[in-house]
Amino acid sequence: AQKITQTQPGMFVQEKEAVTLDCTYDTSDQSYGLFWYKQPSSGEMIFLIYQGSYDEQNATEGRYSLNFQKARKSANLVISASQLGDSAMYFCAMREGFLNQGGKLIFGQGTELSVKP
Amino acid sequence: DTGVSQNPRHKITKRGQNVTFRCDPISEHNRLYWYRQTLGQGPEFLTYFQNEAQLEKSRLLSDRFSAERPKGSFSTLEIQRTEQGDSAMYLCASSPSRGSAEAFFGQGTRLTVV
Repeated sequence: AQKITQTQPGMFVQEKEAVTLDCTYDTSDQSYGLFWYKQPSSGEMIFLIYQGSYDEQNATEGRYSLNFQKARKSANLVISASQLGDSAMYFCAMREGFLNQGGKLIFGQGTELSVKP
Repeated sequence: DTGVSQNPRHKITKRGQNVTFRCDPISEHNRLYWYRQTLGQGPEFLTYFQNEAQLEKSRLLSDRFSAERPKGSFSTLEIQRTEQGDSAMYLCASSPSRGSAEAFFGQGTRLTVV
């Protein structure tokens, strides 16, 4: 069965420093996608970054990068140069199947990130 | 179109009453998803539409829950005979069938059952 595990309920980081949020996953499918979403206190889920299971290079989007280690089934999010506005809940999620196949996302429990000035 | 729109944003209801939520997806998106999120947890999948066809339903979606997407555009989620355990944030998301991988979420409807 699909499962996403985020073992860090809360993390603190100093402004301008980098932080890594952990995510491990479990699936028996060979084709899957991994996602990170940010949820500020307003409640909206904001897409950050995507990694496909067949992508050979780690995904990057601005200050966000995904450290994808397929053999270890981990997909950690790295945020560089943290900003105060990065304080939020962060969710790792997985969808089985190919990119255009659609289907549900399975989410982890989330990590609450607090950025200190 | 500015994104996925959900109405109402907040709903307080008495136990036993019926409630209905509406989701308007991004106009060119033919896939629409409903999720439920309780405090301190990640969103849990409820159901998924491609156009007007409901392709998947979670076991979480008891017979008190029903979702429709009659013309493949907006969707409604109805909860009958609400219970206190139904109190949660109900999130709607949409995605296109081609191109980008991510689902775009609305701001959710927060339901409180008293």
